[in-house]
Amino acid sequence: AQSVAQPEDQVNVAEGNPLTVKCTYSVSGNPYLFWYVQYPNRGLQFLLKYITGDNLVKGSYGFEAEFNKSQTSFHLKKPSALVSDSALYFCAVRDRSGNNRKLIWGLGTSLAVNP
Amino acid sequence: EADIYQTPRYLVIGTGKKITLECSQTMGHDKMYWYQQDPGMELHLIHYSYGVNSTEKGDLSSESTVSRIRTEHFPLTLESARPSHTSQYLCASSENDWTGELFFGEGSRLTVL
Repeated sequence: AQSVAQPEDQVNVAEGNPLTVKCTYSVSGNPYLFWYVQYPNRGLQFLLKYITGDNLVKGSYGFEAEFNKSQTSFHLKKPSALVSDSALYFCAVRDRSGNNRKLIWGLGTSLAVNP
Repeated sequence: EADIYQTPRYLVIGTGKKITLECSQTMGHDKMYWYQQDPGMELHLIHYSYGVNSTEKGDLSSESTVSRIRTEHFPLTLESARPSHTSQYLCASSENDWTGELFFGEGSRLTVL
């Protein structure tokens, strides 16, 4: 079955430290992978995506993610966290094989960056 | 900022009332979606549309209905609201449903008393 796992409900980091929000996936074919961020009382905003090519993808607000096919992971990273990065982060995947275009969502990870 | 708008942002109504949540986008996207977001965080697809006069139900069964008479407009209607409908409703659109990212509105938070 297709699925996305975000193993940590909450991640806490100190401002200025590097941050990682984890995502692993399970699809039958090759994936299209996405990260979104949701600030309090707002809709989701697109951060970055992996479609093909370079495994390291750079996105908005200094975030990046690395596609690791062997580990079926797409972890979100930032070298130096800001307090303003505190938000909910969602990983999502589409299986590019077959005709199912359904977007599978993770349950979200709450990131808290402490001053 | 994405050019997709939802109204109202917040709505508190009594049981049995009919409500319509509006969603409009100015990007010319054919693909539009409605998600219901639990108070926790989880997102559930309740409706989607691939173009004018095309609507489909999503993964989560919902008593709401949608229409797509114009490309830019994708309203969601509840004929008789109940407390179980209390939730955050998020509208989104995309250029394509393979590689395209979703553009979300700010959301409509519905509370049914």
